[in-house]
Amino acid sequence: SQQGEEDPQALSIQEGENATMNCSYKTSINNLQWYRQNSGRGLVHLILIRSNEREKHSGRLRVTLDTSKKSSSLLITASRAADTASYFCATDAVVNTGANSKLTFGKGITLSVRP
Amino acid sequence: DAGVIQSPRHEVTEMGQEVTLRCKPISGHDYLFWYRQTMMRGLELLIYFNNNVPIDDSGMPEDRFSAKMPNASFSTLKIQPSEPRDSAVYFCASSPLGQGRFRRQPQHFGDGTRLSIL
Repeated sequence: SQQGEEDPQALSIQEGENATMNCSYKTSINNLQWYRQNSGRGLVHLILIRSNEREKHSGRLRVTLDTSKKSSSLLITASRAADTASYFCATDAVVNTGANSKLTFGKGITLSVRP
Repeated sequence: DAGVIQSPRHEVTEMGQEVTLRCKPISGHDYLFWYRQTMMRGLELLIYFNNNVPIDDSGMPEDRFSAKMPNASFSTLKIQPSEPRDSAVYFCASSPLGQGRFRRQPQHFGDGTRLSIL
């Protein structure tokens, strides 16, 4: 089964509004990452939050991590039409002993930002 | 930085044919990953390499799939014989090895190969 499960599956908002996307996972992690995928393109890394971090910011992005609840959220503030894409959370599980071993991706959230 | 380069971008072929997908990782990256993306199953890791050595191929669906990395700048994923259920978008990604507490680094993806098996 998927390690990361995003919620909601689809989100439609007006330009300028904030978008909040959630991710839940099952096992202990080293870090959790968020990626964006535009239609017909590969995934692009947005932000990485380590298990000992609770919140991280990057531009209009804010990510939180609650390891006790095994959940994370991605907030995009002041959304733009160009933010329209699919967003994925990916977990790097503690059982992965390699330095850069495998990530497990959720199925993604489709975000539509209306102009 | 040219990014991860995959070829071809699109491939349409008939079942039973051999398919070879190619990937050039970012120079200097130590890890290379092959993924498959479908609507039903999402993004699945097939295999990954560290310094050209396969580390985990547990995601390879069956013996029809094989992957090689003959050198640090090139990898192939081969399907022989291909079947309609292999139709998907195949992604290659690479990542560097960081230092100290930053050993685990994000992955950089190519734009994928859209494979259709008729």
